[in-house]
Amino acid sequence: GQQVMQIPQYQHVQEGEDFTTYCNSSTTLSNIQWYKQRPGGHPVFLIQLVKSGEVKKQKRLTFQFGEAKKNSSLHITATQTTDVGTYFCAGPRSGNNRKLIWGLGTSLAVNP
Amino acid sequence: NAGVTQTPKFQVLKTGQSMTLQCAQDMNHNSMYWYRQDPGMGLRLIYYSASEGTTDKGEVPNGYNVSRLNKREFSLRLESAAPSQTSVYFCASSPTGNYGYTFGSGTRLTVV
Repeated sequence: GQQVMQIPQYQHVQEGEDFTTYCNSSTTLSNIQWYKQRPGGHPVFLIQLVKSGEVKKQKRLTFQFGEAKKNSSLHITATQTTDVGTYFCAGPRSGNNRKLIWGLGTSLAVNP
Repeated sequence: NAGVTQTPKFQVLKTGQSMTLQCAQDMNHNSMYWYRQDPGMGLRLIYYSASEGTTDKGEVPNGYNVSRLNKREFSLRLESAAPSQTSVYFCASSPTGNYGYTFGSGTRLTVV
């Protein structure tokens, strides 16, 4: 069945280091979305990418959607303690775009 | 600008008890969702409502029922709680179902 895989599962970095998480889908996606969940909190929508090869930036966060629309990445430059949390990617399910298929997330810990 | 409001925030049930989790959104979104989140399992869809008047099963519907009371409200009912239903439950809404989910703050449910 359709799957979305995220790597790595966990990442520990020193504050100031860069961080990247990758999202790989078994099928072509019409769009990819990224969410952030702080510890003890709820997922918060960050961004949606729609176009092949699309790159979007939000301050220190850079999001990319692959040319084949099957993979995506989130890169954080110079991490801060406020970046701590779990980052999820998600895309519409094949055959039913009213539902999303989710990756299991990448948990980021930042040592001050 | 409340967004998605879930009640209660915490609940402890005894095995066999029933309860209803309430969810309301004030963003005029068409689609609403109930997820459960367990450690290492990511977000799993229980039920969803693509639009007012419709409901459909997600990945893990057994032991749950839902009601889309109107466009704003989508409730989740546990008829006979089991320890396996101990989890964090999130309600979410989306304008179209494949874009930018807004999540509630969650209900932390323990079944003993």
